[in-house]
Amino acid sequence: NAGVMQNPRHLVRRRGQEARLRCSPMKGHSHVYWYRQLPEEGLKFMVYLQKENIIDESGMPKERFSAEFPKEGPSILRIQQVVRGDSAAYFCASSPTQGAALRPQHFGDGTRLSIL
Amino acid sequence: AQTVTQSQPEMSVQEAETVTLSCTYDTSESDYYLFWYKQPPSRQMILVIRQEAYKQQNATENRFSVNFQKAAKSFSLKISDSQLGDAAMYFCAYRSNAGGTSYGKLTFGQGTILTVHP
Repeated sequence: NAGVMQNPRHLVRRRGQEARLRCSPMKGHSHVYWYRQLPEEGLKFMVYLQKENIIDESGMPKERFSAEFPKEGPSILRIQQVVRGDSAAYFCASSPTQGAALRPQHFGDGTRLSIL
Repeated sequence: AQTVTQSQPEMSVQEAETVTLSCTYDTSESDYYLFWYKQPPSRQMILVIRQEAYKQQNATENRFSVNFQKAAKSFSLKISDSQLGDAAMYFCAYRSNAGGTSYGKLTFGQGTILTVHP
């Protein structure tokens, strides 16, 4: 049973380019969470999605960032016109239902985004 | 909004000894979960232990145990018989069980780097 799959593992972009980070949740999981980890810091919540719906995007920057979780295919975190401050590790986590009964979120290995 | 604070940026322990990592949190909710995650240099996020707020009994998982003090909003992690493989960054995390759109998201502390000396 494959875990949460994130790709790419490492992504290098120049300032002004677009970055697309992909997350395939565990089989049977319909809830996806994205977190960002800046250097030397803890993980910060960005967005929570269910299939075709954004449930909570309170942690997402208002500009340049967007997320989707289509009916088919992986969840995508998209960062437009990247800047140096976007350099971070981006983690995706999935869960089978809305946090029911201690079901922990399963994390992917993260995508390390580096902006030149 | 909930906050989680880990006041120890770094801790060290001798192999086979015991170490305790501190975590405090702030919330107005009564129904929630608390977690400790381990992040080794590989960057994986590994769940170590979890605690339900409505349970008074402290959770244990082999060499890992917690001291959950709900009134004090404290949730420390004790690692017994420390091993070299325990060396990692440890994060304390809070998760609401109160419903609403924020349901399920984790709020993390800043982390504690644990070094284990042979």
